[in-house]
Amino acid sequence: AQRVTQPEKLLSVFKGAPVELKCNYSYSGSPELFWYVQYSRQRLQLLLRHISRESIKGFTADLNKGETSFHLKKPFAQEEDSAMYYCALSDTGANSKLTFGKGITLSVRP
Amino acid sequence: DAGITQSPRYKITETGRQVTLMCHQTWSHSYMFWYRQDLGHGLRLIYYSAAADITDKGEVPDGYVVSRSKTENFPLTLESATRSQTSVYFCASRLAGSYNEQFFGPGTRLTVL
Repeated sequence: AQRVTQPEKLLSVFKGAPVELKCNYSYSGSPELFWYVQYSRQRLQLLLRHISRESIKGFTADLNKGETSFHLKKPFAQEEDSAMYYCALSDTGANSKLTFGKGITLSVRP
Repeated sequence: DAGITQSPRYKITETGRQVTLMCHQTWSHSYMFWYRQDLGHGLRLIYYSAAADITDKGEVPDGYVVSRSKTENFPLTLESATRSQTSVYFCASRLAGSYNEQFFGPGTRLTVL
């Protein structure tokens, strides 16, 4: 069975500090991994996906198959980054579905 | 983002009552999903649908019923609500295809007394 583990529930940093939100996964096939974000009073939305290898709002995430990890990183946190972040894994096939981690709250203090 | 809506946004009900949460999308997405969001559990899939009249169970389907007679609607019914079903419920949709970006509704906060 596939599983996504986000080991921390809360990360609190000061503005300008580096951020790393951890995500580990368990999946027997070739994984598709995503980070979703939920800002206060907004709906959940896609932040980035590993397949596109892009940087969104300064965030990057690299898939490490050896360590089965997909950590989200940003070198300099901003107050507007404060939100709930979910790592998600997609299974493959036509009816692919997402399995979410438990989420982590990022708080960026001024 | 107004393309996917949920109603009601807030609902308080009593144990044993039937409750239906509505989800409507205007994008003609094939796939629709229902999740519940609970502290300490994250988002868990309740049911999903690949197309009209095609539904399947997710991780936590017990106590819930879904239907999808039209592509744009995917109601979730709690046949006999229990306190453990107090949660925030999110509906989502996506296009068919391998890129699995799901678009989420604003959520319904349900309290079962």
